[in-house]
Amino acid sequence: DAGVIQSPRHEVTEMGQEVTLRCKPISGHDYLFWYRQTMMRGLELLIYFNNNVPIDDSGMPEDRFSAKMPNASFSTLKIQPSEPRDSAVYFCASSLVVRAGANVLTFGAGSRLTVL
Amino acid sequence: SQQGEEDPQALSIQEGENATMNCSYKTSINNLQWYRQNSGRGLVHLILIRSNEREKHSGRLRVTLDTSKKSSSLLITASRAADTASYFCAYGGTGRRALTFGSGTRLQVQP
Repeated sequence: DAGVIQSPRHEVTEMGQEVTLRCKPISGHDYLFWYRQTMMRGLELLIYFNNNVPIDDSGMPEDRFSAKMPNASFSTLKIQPSEPRDSAVYFCASSLVVRAGANVLTFGAGSRLTVL
Repeated sequence: SQQGEEDPQALSIQEGENATMNCSYKTSINNLQWYRQNSGRGLVHLILIRSNEREKHSGRLRVTLDTSKKSSSLLITASRAADTASYFCAYGGTGRRALTFGSGTRLQVQP
């Protein structure tokens, strides 16, 4: 398996533009997570899905953020409109519940977003 | 915030020395994990310890867990330059599949 695949790796956009980040999880994994990483706030959970259903979106900062998982092999995180404070590295991770209920996450390489 | 705290924030050692990183958390957990992140990359899982375990070993890694103090430590023995990275603890609560990550420790191993 190629691992968790994210695209784009880098995105530079202007304030107000729509941004769509994409993720392909590992085949067979039934959990998918979106995290955001910044120097100031560290790694924050945005949302996670189980079997394509959103379970917890309490970390989604505002209505400008939305995430979908239309099927088991694809998820998107959309920001509309984008703002400079959204600049961060966005990680997608997937997992299979193993070992007495513990989730071990496999991360993608991340999408670095810069909003000017 | 439920985010865990790690200390030190940064650690610089010489090759061959041991590195110890500490993690404190605030909630009840059923497991605690450690991840490594190389610069510009995603996180990679290193080791998992369950809440009913006190110590776990994997190669040059040793993890301890003290649930009464809500703390864990990661020891890397005989460090190598290739161990240079950021290290994060992460934990899951009862009934919660998502992991909460600590603030991380940046380790620099000088050759």
